[in-house]
Amino acid sequence: GDSVTQMEGPVTLSEEAFLTINCTYTATGYPSLFWYVQYPGEGLQLLLKATKADDKGSNKGFEATYRKETTSFHLEKGSVQVSDSAVYFCALTPEGGSEKLVFGKGTKLTVNP
Amino acid sequence: DAEITQSPRHKITETGRQVTLACHQTWNHNNMFWYRQDLGHGLRLIHYSYGVQDTNKGEVSDGYSVSRSNTEDLPLTLESAASSQTSVYFCASSETAGGMETQYFGPGTRLLVL
Repeated sequence: GDSVTQMEGPVTLSEEAFLTINCTYTATGYPSLFWYVQYPGEGLQLLLKATKADDKGSNKGFEATYRKETTSFHLEKGSVQVSDSAVYFCALTPEGGSEKLVFGKGTKLTVNP
Repeated sequence: DAEITQSPRHKITETGRQVTLACHQTWNHNNMFWYRQDLGHGLRLIHYSYGVQDTNKGEVSDGYSVSRSNTEDLPLTLESAASSQTSVYFCASSETAGGMETQYFGPGTRLLVL
């Protein structure tokens, strides 16, 4: 079945450091790919998405590129802030119109001042 | 502004009791979902609905049920609560768009089964 694998956390960085969170997926065809973020005590919210190969999603300084050849959707940010501390989830919806999200297990990021 | 709300936000119950968690959305979305979040497992889909009178089982549906009598609400019922159902529960909704649309999440319900 479809699945998403994220790098294990937790990840701890200093402010202004470069961030990469790896995400790879297993799915047939061309799924849609998402990054959701969960701030402490809150529900998830969409950070960015890409719906076809080679698309780049971006938001709030975060970027991720849909790489079909490596089945990856790695999240990057050039300079993290303390306010970016959260849990990040990579997810997909399968090709074919299913609205169901398949989530990775999440990566907790802590940014220290 | 449109929103998705869950109630209660916190609940403590005893094993064997029936519990219902409420989810209400004002987005007028067709699709609604229930997830549970547990350490080490991420979010797992419990039940989902693509419209009124439509319900479907997700990955971890045993011991849970839902009903969809209108567009706005999808209550989740634990028929006989078990300690293994202690978790944080999230409701979400989305528009129908071939899987490309954003899901909007509620704030969550933290359930403790003693």
